[in-house]
Amino acid sequence: GAVVSQHPSWVICKSGTSVKIECRSLDFQATTMFWYRQFPKQSLMLMATSNEGSKATYEQGVEKDKFLINHASLTLSTLTVTSAHPEDSSFYICSARVYAGYNEQFFGPGTRLTVL
Amino acid sequence: DQQVKQNSPSLSVQEGRISILNCDYTNSMFDYFLWYKKYPAEGPTFLISISSIKDKNEDGRFTVFLNKSAKHLSLHIVPSQPGDSAVYFCAASDVQGAQKLVFGQGTRLTINP
Repeated sequence: GAVVSQHPSWVICKSGTSVKIECRSLDFQATTMFWYRQFPKQSLMLMATSNEGSKATYEQGVEKDKFLINHASLTLSTLTVTSAHPEDSSFYICSARVYAGYNEQFFGPGTRLTVL
Repeated sequence: DQQVKQNSPSLSVQEGRISILNCDYTNSMFDYFLWYKKYPAEGPTFLISISSIKDKNEDGRFTVFLNKSAKHLSLHIVPSQPGDSAVYFCAASDVQGAQKLVFGQGTRLTINP
């Protein structure tokens, strides 16, 4: 149980285009999903917390207009990187919490974004 | 400000021996700690966790120890197996922070046959 999927697993795009990454909880409903970013050989940095039916809460320093998050249903959250630039190239990982008050998060496999 | 620190970027252990991974934290509000294992180009996999009301939690080959006064936790793997080779992240959360996870930098564990 507690399987989280991400799509696509990797994407290459041209500078200036927008890219959408999907995060799905496959066998449970997730009221809260999280989006992380990981640079090579660095830690996972939380970008935003996504709650179903409400606006995402962004961490300090994360541009909300650049990283659009939509948590449209209890099983799907999307991250759209708008007007992507090479510095946005990174490994993006989502996670989901099974229910409120439960500390453990289950992670998706991640999406490798390369912006040319 | 790195609230969760893993000061050893890498660790090499012989198969069958004990692996000890360490983690320090600075935020005294953290009340729950987790260890995750991560392979390259994959998402982290949950291993084991511990609440701040405990000082030890064991699950098979994995044991996590928490020393609150020292703000230190460690993960023991015994016996170590080649499949344990991965990057290990410790993470911490607190109720005040809406249970967001704060991750350490990770330690790359290599088990040598």
